[in-house]
Amino acid sequence: AQKITQTQPGMFVQEKEAVTLDCTYDTSDPSYGLFWYKQPSSGEMIFLIYQGSYDQQNATEGRYSLNFQKARKSANLVISASQLGDSAMYFCAMRGAGGYQKVTFGTGTKLQVIP
Amino acid sequence: ETGVTQSPTHLIKTRGQQVTLRCSSQSGHNTVSWYQQALGQGPQFIFQYYREEENGRGNFPPRFSGLQFPNYSSELNVNALELDDSALYLCASSLTGASYNEQFFGPGTRLTVL
Repeated sequence: AQKITQTQPGMFVQEKEAVTLDCTYDTSDPSYGLFWYKQPSSGEMIFLIYQGSYDQQNATEGRYSLNFQKARKSANLVISASQLGDSAMYFCAMRGAGGYQKVTFGTGTKLQVIP
Repeated sequence: ETGVTQSPTHLIKTRGQQVTLRCSSQSGHNTVSWYQQALGQGPQFIFQYYREEENGRGNFPPRFSGLQFPNYSSELNVNALELDDSALYLCASSLTGASYNEQFFGPGTRLTVL
């Protein structure tokens, strides 16, 4: 079974500062993928970044980077230079190996960027 | 390239009724997954369709059923609606066989059961 844990229900960050959103995971699959999604109040899930379990380097996408520590089973999202438009719910998610692509989500972190 | 679309946007039903939600996949995608997101929670996997067959299911009762059509669009049907079925229903499409099967989500259908 897969499990994603996000321990920060809410976070505040000053505009232009960096922020780290925590995510830990548990799985018995040797191969898996980790995702971060952003969900604004409109409801649509927006893909931010992906990390494969065998990727040697941490993933980066623009202002987003994923701090992947496999031994600690953590996949924290770092947002640099926060913007007001970054205010949203952020979900960490995992897809395991197997014949179908079930994605398990965490409970999310609500990020609020303060001017 | 068109994105994932869902209809309707909002829906209000009463307990015991049946509902059908629709999803059009992103162009070129052959796999559709459905998720239920209750207020304040993360999405929960309902099931997935690939080549018109259900090939994975989460912990949802049989009154949640689905279809996938030859053009890869999909329907989610829920029978005998219960109050706890009130949620945002998200559809996600992906391409099985791609490098990491990124899922693209639609805007969701918000279902309210009274």
